[in-house]
Amino acid sequence: KAGVTQTPRYLIKTRGQQVTLSCSPISGHRSVSWYQQTPGQGLQFLFEYFSETQRNKGNFPGRFSGRQFSNSRSEMNVSTLELGDSALYLCASSSQPTTDTQYFGPGTRLTVL
Amino acid sequence: GENVEQHPSTLSVQEGDSAVIKCTYSDSASNYFPWYKQELGKRPQLIIDIRSNVGEKKDQRIAVTLNKTAKHFSLHITETQPEDSAVYFCAASPGANNLFFGTGTRLTVIP
Repeated sequence: KAGVTQTPRYLIKTRGQQVTLSCSPISGHRSVSWYQQTPGQGLQFLFEYFSETQRNKGNFPGRFSGRQFSNSRSEMNVSTLELGDSALYLCASSSQPTTDTQYFGPGTRLTVL
Repeated sequence: GENVEQHPSTLSVQEGDSAVIKCTYSDSASNYFPWYKQELGKRPQLIIDIRSNVGEKKDQRIAVTLNKTAKHFSLHITETQPEDSAVYFCAASPGANNLFFGTGTRLTVIP
């Protein structure tokens, strides 16, 4: 099976812009979780989707949003970008709805100038 | 919410020695504890995990122990090799598929 894929791999934006990142889970996996990784804050949970429903959300402002499509692919959107949003955004997929092994994608490196 | 603490932040060992990384968690509802290895510029890779109904799990040179009463779990790597050098993250999950990560341990294995 192909692994988790994310596009784009690298992105440069300026403050105030918005960005959409995409994640394709492993075939058959219905749960997609998103994480932000920064040197200062480490790996932080953003949100999780299962069968097109957001079930959990981390402690991030409303500028961070996401969605999941019927084919389990997921997107996350960040509006009104701030310098502090520069980070590696990772998604992970799981086959089961609870406490299942999560397989990570390669990430999208977002730089906000 | 869940809070995971991880120690030490850096660890250097001689090749062939053992390495131990310790984590504590705060939410007694957490029932799944994975460990990930992340090499520079790469994605986190699961190396071992343990569930709350098990006290210890081993996979070749890697073992994890869990003490639910004390709310701590540890990663043990024996016979370390230079390719074990990476950043290791512990995590805890109170349910669903949301992981709360520790701050990471940079392990350096000196040949």
